[in-house]
Amino acid sequence: AQRVTQPEKLLSVFKGAPVELKCNYSYSGSPELFWYVQYSRQRLQLLLRHISRESIKGFTADLNKGETSFHLKKPFAQEEDSAMYYCALKPLSGGYNKLIFGAGTRLAVHP
Amino acid sequence: ETGVTQSPTHLIKTRGQQVTLRCSSQSGHNTVSWYQQALGQGPQFIFQYYREEENGRGNFPPRFSGLQFPNYSSELNVNALELDDSALYLCASSMGTDSYNSPLHFGNGTRLTVT
Repeated sequence: AQRVTQPEKLLSVFKGAPVELKCNYSYSGSPELFWYVQYSRQRLQLLLRHISRESIKGFTADLNKGETSFHLKKPFAQEEDSAMYYCALKPLSGGYNKLIFGAGTRLAVHP
Repeated sequence: ETGVTQSPTHLIKTRGQQVTLRCSSQSGHNTVSWYQQALGQGPQFIFQYYREEENGRGNFPPRFSGLQFPNYSSELNVNALELDDSALYLCASSMGTDSYNSPLHFGNGTRLTVT
């Protein structure tokens, strides 16, 4: 079964602390993986894609096929990082924009 | 650049009724997807429309149907509403059907409550 698991509903850290939002997936193949973010009173938006190997707003995510994980990391959290974060998987078959989302993790960064 | 807009923002319906939700795609986008987000869950794919035809569907019954118009706006119709249909419905548009090279742009959603 294709599934995305985000084990933490809430992650609470202090400003300047490192952050790791966990994401594990279940998929028999090589998926495309994404992180989406939703800031307070804003719409869901793309944060980063795994193949780009990019760093957006200081966040990075590395695909670990052995552990089937795609954890989101930032070395020093900022208050403006407080938001809801969703990990999503796009199956390679199908030819359409089906994304399978995890349940999300709320990141709260305290001053 | 105009973003994805959805209407209405909130809606209350009674079990058994029918509902139509509307979405205007971002300018230049020809593909629209609909997602259902239940409370405390991530969005769940309902279906996608490309060039006015459904070209992908998730695990939703046929009472969930849609339309895409020549101007790429879209509707989601739900018949015979059930209490479990209460959720936030998200519309997302993109340029083409490959969400990797053309990321999804989401609207703010329509909050549907079925009583």
